[in-house]
Amino acid sequence: DTGVSQDPRHKITKRGQNVTFRCDPISEHNRLYWYRQTLGQGPEFLTYFQNEAQLEKSRLLSDRFSAERPKGSFSTLEIQRTEQGDSAMYLCASSLKGTDNPSTDTQYFGPGTRLTVL
Amino acid sequence: KQEVTQIPAALSVPEGENLVLNCSFTDSAIYNLQWFRQDPGKGLTSLLLIQSSQREQTSGRLNASLDKSSGRSTLYIAASQPGDSATYLCAVSPLYDNDMRFGAGTRLTVKP
Repeated sequence: DTGVSQDPRHKITKRGQNVTFRCDPISEHNRLYWYRQTLGQGPEFLTYFQNEAQLEKSRLLSDRFSAERPKGSFSTLEIQRTEQGDSAMYLCASSLKGTDNPSTDTQYFGPGTRLTVL
Repeated sequence: KQEVTQIPAALSVPEGENLVLNCSFTDSAIYNLQWFRQDPGKGLTSLLLIQSSQREQTSGRLNASLDKSSGRSTLYIAASQPGDSATYLCAVSPLYDNDMRFGAGTRLTVKP
């Protein structure tokens, strides 16, 4: 399967712990996006990378959140000192740069990582 | 701030019916609008993408329309099947930033 993959698929943690999620995009895709989706809502944009550069971050991405894409391939999203409000599905998507504006790209989504903070 | 609203939140229809899902957005300065499908506990699959200069797009039994000036889009599903049961999300890409905004979705159930 050459689609976007995410690991783990499910994570249960206690409040205050740190968690890290991984996303492997489609191999030739140079743009990568992270979204958060809470129950009954649509996804909310968190951040996006073009190659290894993090070009935009949402105000939703508090200081406890950090994302990296060190070699321009896979990406990690870390949440420090988790809170119950962090419980959500974390979705990753990737796209192939068509123009300078990522809005022109078709994004391909992974299956998501469901985080539950107890 | 761009707000995207989808009505209804849930819809149940018998198999074979034609149906329409609605999406509205508050700011007409968009680059494009997409309709996605999401199965329970899964990621999103793009169904149709309409550029701001276009009025509609078709793929098989799906037809999406866009009226940018009124801030509305519809997704028409013809001859619905139980396999169409899923949540349908619309999303707009604003002209002036890279933050794709999603609606909360319409949860569709097609009964055999």
